Amino acid sequence: NAGVTQTPKFQVLKTGQSMTLQCAQDMNHNSMYWYRQDPGMGLRLIYYSASEGTTDKGEVPNGYNVSRLNKREFSLRLESAAPSQTSVYFCASRETGGLTEAFFGQGTRLTVV
Amino acid sequence: GQQLNQSPQSMFIQEGEDVSMNCTSSSIFNTWLWYKQDPGEGPVLLIALYKAGELTSNGRLTAQFGITRKDSFLNISASIPSDVGIYFCAGRNYGGSQGNLIFGKGTKLSVKP
Repeated sequence: NAGVTQTPKFQVLKTGQSMTLQCAQDMNHNSMYWYRQDPGMGLRLIYYSASEGTTDKGEVPNGYNVSRLNKREFSLRLESAAPSQTSVYFCASRETGGLTEAFFGQGTRLTVV
Repeated sequence: GQQLNQSPQSMFIQEGEDVSMNCTSSSIFNTWLWYKQDPGEGPVLLIALYKAGELTSNGRLTAQFGITRKDSFLNISASIPSDVGIYFCAGRNYGGSQGNLIFGKGTKLSVKP
């Protein structure tokens, strides 16, 4: 069972470059999420998608855009990377309304120099 | 915004010892969750609590949903080396952002053989 798959696992960007982080889930979940994790900060929600075709801002959305391409895939885009976006990014999915909780991917470690 | 205070920030214990950590909030939650994150991995759900006063066990782990709905604790009995990792609490209510999770900043557990 693949669960939640994130690509790439590691990435180094120069300031101002753009990139898209990919996430796919094979559990037929309606809701998908993007979090960032910084040392000593826990996980903070960037954007989420409650269902295919909808996206909403979380706690820290500035500098990011998202696309819910279909039910399986939810991508996170950095249009102009900044050193403050150096972080570990996690994608998660969940079956909204049911008694299931979020499953997380393995993370993408991003460094912006 | 809502915040969770998780303590302690870190623990360094001897194998075989019991561990206790807790989370408190200034606001009420309807769900409390406990996740564990191994190095280089995404968080994995350990225990989910849905009712005030609920006490739930998962092997050597026991967690409780505080009666005031503003706190939760996690106990680990007879710790072993594979318990090493970061433990996160997370809370959810059903107002505002459609029931998204708020995470604590984590408790880093180190176990000395």
